[in-house]
Amino acid sequence: AQKITQTQPGMFVQEKEAVTLDCTYDTSDPSYGLFWYKQPSSGEMIFLIYQGSYDQQNATEGRYSLNFQKARKSANLVISASQLGDSAMYFCAMREGQTGANSKLTFGKGITLSVRP
Amino acid sequence: DSGVTQTPKHLITATGQRVTLRCSPRSGDLSVYWYQQSLDQGLQFLIQYYNGEERAKGNILERFSAQQFPDLHSELNLSSLELGDSALYFCASSVSRGGNYGYTFGSGTRLTVV
Repeated sequence: AQKITQTQPGMFVQEKEAVTLDCTYDTSDPSYGLFWYKQPSSGEMIFLIYQGSYDQQNATEGRYSLNFQKARKSANLVISASQLGDSAMYFCAMREGQTGANSKLTFGKGITLSVRP
Repeated sequence: DSGVTQTPKHLITATGQRVTLRCSPRSGDLSVYWYQQSLDQGLQFLIQYYNGEERAKGNILERFSAQQFPDLHSELNLSSLELGDSALYFCASSVSRGGNYGYTFGSGTRLTVV
């Protein structure tokens, strides 16, 4: 079974609108972390937001927020007020194990977001 | 600049050849991870080193090897290259002595095998 599932093949959003990018995960470890990264066409991986499995509140970072629904094992990324520069590939990733443990990130296949002017 | 340095940025080589990719982690980070990103396989974890020792292995081919040196920089060696090895190779680092556990990625090495 896939540990990280991103099923939306491509998303389009109008500039200044909000968009939600879906991510579901699968783990039996009670301690884990969820990450979102942005990869623009230039190729670099840019960290956006992090949610720990024991965090009581949904994470927010500027225009990015994470809609964390633990029982449903989903960690959707919400981008508010989309900008043209948000056009990129977005990856959801998971670290299994406690914070500080030397665990790899497992990535989903990514979602392409295109922002229309 | 993320703090993780990867060289070279681009590499074009012929089938059968051997190349070495280099990664300098963010200052103070002890762990280095290597990932391969190809169009058909997505981002695949290859191998992890922590403070000089191999810690975890993923889908790394036997033709590939890596090491982490005392100064914590890491090298990924790819040999007997095939066309299918063409990909973007990322290095990431994490786990600083100061307690920062975030993962930081380098800008990647784009390998083209012709």
